[in-house]
Amino acid sequence: ELKVEQNPLFLSMQEGKNYTIYCNYSTTSDRLYWYRQDPGKSLESLFVLLSNGAVKQEGRLMASLDTKARLSTLHITAAVHDLSATYFCAAQFFDKLIFGTGTRLQVFP
Amino acid sequence: EPEVTQTPSHQVTQMGQEVILRCVPISNHLYFYWYRQILGQKVEFLVSFYNNEISEKSEIFDDQFSVERPDGSNFTLKIRSTKLEDSAMYFCASSEAYEQYFGPGTRLTVT
Repeated sequence: ELKVEQNPLFLSMQEGKNYTIYCNYSTTSDRLYWYRQDPGKSLESLFVLLSNGAVKQEGRLMASLDTKARLSTLHITAAVHDLSATYFCAAQFFDKLIFGTGTRLQVFP
Repeated sequence: EPEVTQTPSHQVTQMGQEVILRCVPISNHLYFYWYRQILGQKVEFLVSFYNNEISEKSEIFDDQFSVERPDGSNFTLKIRSTKLEDSAMYFCASSEAYEQYFGPGTRLTVT
């Protein structure tokens, strides 16, 4: 069965702190994606990870992929309030994306 | 920058009615998708479409659902007889190769 699991489901963190969101997937995947979703909005693409050991960074967010462990991480550095949103990972299996449960991130002063 | 568009943004319908959700994918994209997201839950794959036919569909995509590309620009999702549990946000996506670009979504409310 194709499964993508994310943890934590909810993350409340103080501004300036660091934290990591984890994404495990159950079987070999072609690609791994990270999306951001603001309440009531669509999915904004953050990162596409194509190969083992891939690391991508954009501002305070950094994503990595370990295909052998079937694990991707999204690391948040020195969080700011603007990062408050729900973050989804998604693994691609042939045509479709299988999404994780999402991590709702709340950053407070 | 080209983007996927969807109409309407919000659709309210009564149980048992048919609805058609419309999407205009990015113009040079060849692969089209529908996903749904029940409020507060994860995004779920419904169907993928390529070369005028369904390439893959999920268990959710039963006989009540159909997709069509009626002309060169639109991609539609039809639900024949809506149920309360069809209430969700429906996202269309398109891709040229592998990366899928999502539209803003249509919120479907079935009463």
